[in-house]
Amino acid sequence: GQQVMQIPQYQHVQEGEDFTTYCNSSTTLSNIQWYKQRPGGHPVFLIQLVKSGEVKKQKRLTFQFGEAKKNSSLHITATQTTDVGTYFCAGYITGNNDMRFGAGTRLTVKP
Amino acid sequence: DAGITQSPRHKVTETGTPVTLRCHQTENHRYMYWYRQDPGHGLRLIHYSYGVKDTDKGEVSDGYSVSRSKTEDFLLTLESATSSQTSVYFCAIRTPGGTDTQYFGPGTRLTVL
Repeated sequence: GQQVMQIPQYQHVQEGEDFTTYCNSSTTLSNIQWYKQRPGGHPVFLIQLVKSGEVKKQKRLTFQFGEAKKNSSLHITATQTTDVGTYFCAGYITGNNDMRFGAGTRLTVKP
Repeated sequence: DAGITQSPRHKVTETGTPVTLRCHQTENHRYMYWYRQDPGHGLRLIHYSYGVKDTDKGEVSDGYSVSRSKTEDFLLTLESATSSQTSVYFCAIRTPGGTDTQYFGPGTRLTVL
C-alpha cells in the first residue's frame, strides 16, 4: 500500500492567504522531493531535500524535511493565482530504487 | 523537459484488447519509469527500468508488462485491457548523479470501454 501520506487532499484559499501541505512516511526516506502539477499538465520537479532538518526556500515557497527524515512540509506564503495546481511529495525509501508519491494536495486560489 | 515524449497522447480502446504505450527519451538516461495517475491516488509506480533489458516491478504491476530493448525506448503493454486500467499514464526518467530528480513526459490518457 501507499507508504507516503499527504494531507490535506484539497485546499481552497483566498489569494494572499498562506498554504501548507504535509507529507508523512511510514519509513525513513533517503530524500524527499516536491513536484507541482498544473491542471492538465505533468508533474514538474520543484526541489529536493536530503539532510535531516533541512529547510530550503524558493521565493514564497518554504520546504522542510523532518529530523527523523519521515516527514516534510511545503508552505506557500501569500498565495497567488499562479500557485494553482496539485503539489506532490515523493521520496525514495532507503535502499530502494523506486520513488513513492503522496496522493497530492490540490490547491485552488480564489482571486 | 529532458526530451521525453509519449505516444499516443490519447487512446480509447475496448476491454480485452492489447495496448502498447511508448516512452521515448533523447538523453540516454539509464532509469526510466512508468506511473499511472488516478484521482485520490497520486502517482503509482507500475514498472521501472535500470538499463536495457533490466526491469523491475512497481507497486501496481499486475496486468502490465514492459520492455526496453533500446536505451531510448521504454514500452508499457496492457496484454488485455480492462476498465480498471483507464487512467493517465506518465513516463519519467531519472537524472544521474546525486539529485535523483525525475522528469516526466506529457502523459497518455487511456480510456478502456
